Amino acid sequence: ETGVTQTPRHLVMGMTNKKSLKCEQHLGHNAMYWYKQSAKKPLELMFVYSLEERVENNSVPSRFSPECPNSSHLFLHLHTLQPEDSALYLCASSQTSGGLNEQFFGPGTRLTVL
Amino acid sequence: AQSVTQPDIHITVSEGASLELRCNYSYGATPYLFWYVQSPGQGLQLLLKYFSGDTLVQGIKGFEAEFKRSQSSFNLRKPSVHWSDAAEYFCAVGINNNDMRFGAGTRLTVKP
Repeated sequence: ETGVTQTPRHLVMGMTNKKSLKCEQHLGHNAMYWYKQSAKKPLELMFVYSLEERVENNSVPSRFSPECPNSSHLFLHLHTLQPEDSALYLCASSQTSGGLNEQFFGPGTRLTVL
Repeated sequence: AQSVTQPDIHITVSEGASLELRCNYSYGATPYLFWYVQSPGQGLQLLLKYFSGDTLVQGIKGFEAEFKRSQSSFNLRKPSVHWSDAAEYFCAVGINNNDMRFGAGTRLTVKP
C-alpha cells in the first residue's frame, strides 16, 4: 500500500463515451502526476500538477483532460478516445514536483477502448 | 536528448542465482537515478535511488545498485534472487524540476 489509490482499477469504454479516472493520495504531498504505460514502451509522463496548478503538459491530445481540485485529488477526464489509448494509466505523487523526488505510484487503471 | 536505456527486455534466472539488470543513461549533468519495481497488477515501488556520494547504493529487498559515471550506467544487482522478485524493473533518471524519464523496463522471470 503506497498511500495512492486509483479508481476504477479496470475500465472498458467505447470511443464515444465519456469517463473519468480518479486518483487520491493520503501522503500530504504537493505534486501529482499522470503517466501512460503501454506494453514494451517507457512510461510516458502526461501531466504534472504542483500545488493544484498544472506545470507540465507533454503534448497530450485534448481528448485527455486533467483536473486537480485540491492537492489530494487528481482526475483524468476522457472523451472520444481511440483504441490506441488503451493502456495502464498510473497516478503518482511526490512531496514536491519534479524528477528529483521519489514518486509514489498508485496501482493504475487498466483502460480498454473498443 | 536525455534518455534511459534498459538493454534487456526479459531476463530469466534461477532462484538463488545472482542478478544484474542493466541501465544506461544519456544526460549532460550529474543525474538523479532511481530503480523502481512493478509487480503484476501494481504500481511502481521505489527500490533505491542515487543522488550523490557513495556510488554503491543499498535499497530495499536486498537490492543494490552502482553508479558508474565513466560508463553512464546504474546497474541493479542482487546476490541471490527469490521467487518473489519476479516482476518488471524500471530504471529512471530525474532530469529537471518537472520530469523523470523511465526506461522501457526489464521483465524478470525466476525459475524454481
